[in-house]
Amino acid sequence: GAVVSQHPSWVICKSGTSVKIECRSLDFQATTMFWYRQFPKQSLMLMATSNEGSKATYEQGVEKDKFLINHASLTLSTLTVTSAHPEDSSFYICSARGGGDSDTQYFGPGTRLTVL
Amino acid sequence: GQNIDQPTEMTATEGAIVQINCTYQTSGFNGLFWYQQHAGEAPTFLSYNVLDGLEEKGRFSSFLSRSKGYSYLLLKELQMKDSASYLCAPMDSNYQLIWGAGTKLIIKP
Repeated sequence: GAVVSQHPSWVICKSGTSVKIECRSLDFQATTMFWYRQFPKQSLMLMATSNEGSKATYEQGVEKDKFLINHASLTLSTLTVTSAHPEDSSFYICSARGGGDSDTQYFGPGTRLTVL
Repeated sequence: GQNIDQPTEMTATEGAIVQINCTYQTSGFNGLFWYQQHAGEAPTFLSYNVLDGLEEKGRFSSFLSRSKGYSYLLLKELQMKDSASYLCAPMDSNYQLIWGAGTKLIIKP
């Protein structure tokens, strides 16, 4: 149990385009989903926390107009990187919390974004 | 402030035992998680301690002392596949996980 999927697993896009990443909890209802970014050899950086049906809470320094988060259902959250630039290239990972073990965050496999 | 202190890197031999220590300071405390992260992959959940003491789960055990702000992860019968980073992540009063850089564990034959 507690499986989280992410799609796509990797994406390459041109500078200026937008990219949408999906995060799904497959076998539990995720009351809260988290979006992280991780640069090589660095720690996980929390970008935002989202609860189903409400607006996401963004961490300081994260532009909410650039990183659009939608958490429309208890099993799906999306992150859209708008007008992507090469500095947005990173490993984006979602996690979901909920189910029987409500405090544990279960991570998706991550999405590697490369912006040319 | 909130911070986590773990060794940056450790090396151990296949078949041996290794203990990865973690000390932390957080604003409030709602338990501590250990995650394993292989290079280029997302973290996977290993253990959760909310009360003092030792939690054993197969080859992995995790210990917590809340009064000392201290935890350790004990890995027994090390296998080559255990080479990974191990992340100690306490949860603060807002139920947010606090992340450090983790400990890179290298297993040698």
